[in-house]
Amino acid sequence: EVQLVESGGGLVQPGGSLRLSCAASGFTFSSFWMSWVRQAPGKGLEWVANIKQDGSEKYYVDSVKGRFTISRDSAKNSLFLQMNSVRADDTAVYYCARKRQLGGNDYWGQGALVTVSS
Amino acid sequence: EIVLTQSPGTLSLSPGERATLSCRASQSVSSGYLAWYQQKPGQAPRLLIYGASSRATGIPDRFSGSGSGTDFTLTISRLEPEDFAVYYCQRYGLSHTFGQGTKLEIK
Repeated sequence: EVQLVESGGGLVQPGGSLRLSCAASGFTFSSFWMSWVRQAPGKGLEWVANIKQDGSEKYYVDSVKGRFTISRDSAKNSLFLQMNSVRADDTAVYYCARKRQLGGNDYWGQGALVTVSS
Repeated sequence: EIVLTQSPGTLSLSPGERATLSCRASQSVSSGYLAWYQQKPGQAPRLLIYGASSRATGIPDRFSGSGSGTDFTLTISRLEPEDFAVYYCQRYGLSHTFGQGTKLEIK
């Protein structure tokens, strides 16, 4: 069974840093692109970042470029999102999701809540 | 950057009725790289359709997708009580874009 489990969410002050993790199991992690998607409270979905199977290509939404870094460790079947210089509008539930080779994100974690507030 | 605009914002229908949701792109979506998701409160999104018209694994055949270029449609042929939720379209590729969502509510 495919499982994605996020961790690392919590309360962080504006300008601070936080690292989200996503533990993957039930599939060959190294064979799939992975994504981070977020959802602010009461709002819609916003794609944040994608990373290629070997980590050699990374893509970000403009609003997080230069502040967030997506990475992965295939030996540990884990995906990460390093969030620096966070702002109030980064407050959201952050989901990790597997990216299908034929398109779309077919498996999602339960989400990790990040709250940016002083 | 492609912008996806979904309409209507809210759709009020009764179980058994047909639902038609629209997703319009600001530029042509290459190779039909368009997906649809369903999200219920407190849950992660669920992939329904990819490639504009292919159903994901386990999705009932009352869900269908169509369209190409800039205009795409998700149709639910006969609404079941569990279908009332928020639906998002997504343009996927090296980067992704989501529409703002359509809330399907019980009339």
